[in-house]
Amino acid sequence: TQLLEQSPQFLSIQEGENLTVYCNSSSVFSSLQWYRQEPGEGPVLLVTVVTGGEVKKLKRLTFQFGDARKDSSLHITAAQPGDTGLYLCAGPPDNYGQNFVFGPGTRLSVLP
Amino acid sequence: DAGVTQSPTHLIKTRGQQVTLRCSPKSGHDTVSWYQQALGQGPQFIFQYYEEEERQRGNFPDRFSGHQFPNYSSELNVNALLLGDSALYLCASTMGQGAYTGELFFGEGSRLTVL
Repeated sequence: TQLLEQSPQFLSIQEGENLTVYCNSSSVFSSLQWYRQEPGEGPVLLVTVVTGGEVKKLKRLTFQFGDARKDSSLHITAAQPGDTGLYLCAGPPDNYGQNFVFGPGTRLSVLP
Repeated sequence: DAGVTQSPTHLIKTRGQQVTLRCSPKSGHDTVSWYQQALGQGPQFIFQYYEEEERQRGNFPDRFSGHQFPNYSSELNVNALLLGDSALYLCASTMGQGAYTGELFFGEGSRLTVL
């Protein structure tokens, strides 16, 4: 069974600070996705990382996929209140299907 | 372009009752998956419908059932509700069947509270 763990569970920081959240597994994933979910909304895809060691940047967000494709990180530079939300990592199934595995999420609060 | 729409947004039921949740997929999508997101947890896969048939199922009891209609919309039914069924129920739509690593398009969810 593929499982994803995320840390920290909660993070509260001041506007302008930098932060990193982590997504780990004991299993190899062919790719990992990061979603952000705001209160009262469904998750929205931020990025998909596919190649081991890959780094992708989305404005102030930097995503990295571990060399062994078992972990990923999300780094936010100069966080803003608009970054507040639940950050979820997700991986496609290792079988023929669409039953994605999600981590429990990191709940980020950026205070002005 | 209409995204994924779900109804109702919120509902309250009592233990033992039955509930039906509805989902219309994003325009052009033909596959619907349902996820349960308990408070403080990530979404958990319930099942997926394609061509009006359940194609995959997660680790959920038979009290959870579904249906897909010819227009690709879908329903999730939960019978004999338990307190532990209280959660946000998310519908995600995609295109096609089989191995998939693309984006899941989610609706805003239906928040079910069981008293």
